[in-house]
Amino acid sequence: NAGVTQTPKFQVLKTGQSMTLQCAQDMNHEYMSWYRQDPGMGLRLIHYSVGAGITDQGEVPNGYNVSRSTTEDFPLRLLSAAPSQTSVYFCASVGRHTEAFFGQGTRLTVV
Amino acid sequence: DAKTTQPPSMDCAEGRAANLPCNHSTISGNEYVYWYRQIHSQGPQYIIHGLKNNETNEMASLIITEDRKSSTLILPHATLRDTAVYYCIVRVAPGRVSNYKLTFGKGTLLTVNP
Repeated sequence: NAGVTQTPKFQVLKTGQSMTLQCAQDMNHEYMSWYRQDPGMGLRLIHYSVGAGITDQGEVPNGYNVSRSTTEDFPLRLLSAAPSQTSVYFCASVGRHTEAFFGQGTRLTVV
Repeated sequence: DAKTTQPPSMDCAEGRAANLPCNHSTISGNEYVYWYRQIHSQGPQYIIHGLKNNETNEMASLIITEDRKSSTLILPHATLRDTAVYYCIVRVAPGRVSNYKLTFGKGTLLTVNP
């Protein structure tokens, strides 16, 4: 039981490049979400999903896309990276009667 | 979800109890109080949650006032490894779809000093 796994742990991108941050959970949780955390700030919700095939926008969705084709996976796509997207990204999953479990984060730098 | 207010920082001596306050004056009757902590930019970690009764587990105790407008997280014997940002969050009851969302404030940075 690995919990929530995020890959990669670190990434450097050039402005305009695209990439996908991966998130997988093995707890059969319905709800998954992506947050970003900037220095000195709390976590802000980017996108979330309440089940396979269902996604919705959170507080700061611009510049990011998501999909949820399976219960286990919830990738976050940056279509054209910008320096403002330099941040630490956390994926979380929540079961119907459980607390939230977070991954260890992806530290992204856009230069 | 109800908003919460926490002090930005607190200090505690190692071995002493750490008492972290949280105000949630607009909490609704079906909302729970949850506490998470984040150690050194790792992913947040669940600590404890409660509705209206005091709760205790192996990590901490949660004291909720009778009017439920505030709560206190207690770490009974703080260690250096408890240095972290502590987040107080209110959420509707487990099992409801809206329970899935967590709204984070800036939390309280607890520094445990030797």
